[in-house]
Amino acid sequence: EAGVAQSPRYKIIEKRQSVAFWCNPISGHATLYWYQQILGQGPKLLIQFQNNGVVDDSQLPKDRFSAERLKGVDSTLKIQPAKLEDSAVYLCASSLSRGSISPLHFGNGTRLTVT
Amino acid sequence: GESVGLHLPTLSVQEGDNSIINCAYSNSASDYFIWYKQESGKGPQFIIDIRSNMDKRQGQRVTVLLNKTVKHLSLQIAATQPGDSAVYFCAENQGGSQGNLIFGKGTKLSVKP
Repeated sequence: EAGVAQSPRYKIIEKRQSVAFWCNPISGHATLYWYQQILGQGPKLLIQFQNNGVVDDSQLPKDRFSAERLKGVDSTLKIQPAKLEDSAVYLCASSLSRGSISPLHFGNGTRLTVT
Repeated sequence: GESVGLHLPTLSVQEGDNSIINCAYSNSASDYFIWYKQESGKGPQFIIDIRSNMDKRQGQRVTVLLNKTVKHLSLQIAATQPGDSAVYFCAENQGGSQGNLIFGKGTKLSVKP
């Protein structure tokens, strides 16, 4: 099966600019996650969707970050305006999640550099 | 807050030896644990998982042990190969079926040929 697809692979922007990341999960996976991974650290959850509804966005900096999954499949994550500390790899993951926990499958991420 | 941590940030082993990567967790309500392998420039790759009603689970060349008494998780890799070189993360689900995972900082495994 095809894995989680993310684009772009790399993005370099200046602070205060905006940026958007795209994710296409594994077909049939109802749950989609966005994680932020700062260099040398483990991934940290930003937001979780179940179909097109938000399950958990408690750690999403909502003053600058937004995410949507309008049709319950693809998702976009946006940062506006970006700060230097947003430099990180943004990972998208999906899982089957039909009534019980199942492993998250990750894409290869988008590496964001804010200068 | 509650977090998952790792005892050793780096581990260097000889090819063919067994590797053991350890992880401590602090939330006694965690009911699902998972190990990921992350190679440079790639996303985390699922290795093996275990639910809290088990204390051991085996996969191909890997075994996960769960000790709920001391809140400890370990990943054993048999006959370690150069391709096993990567950063290994343990992660926990702190209860519920939502499935969002809390990750530790990771252990870098280096395999010497």
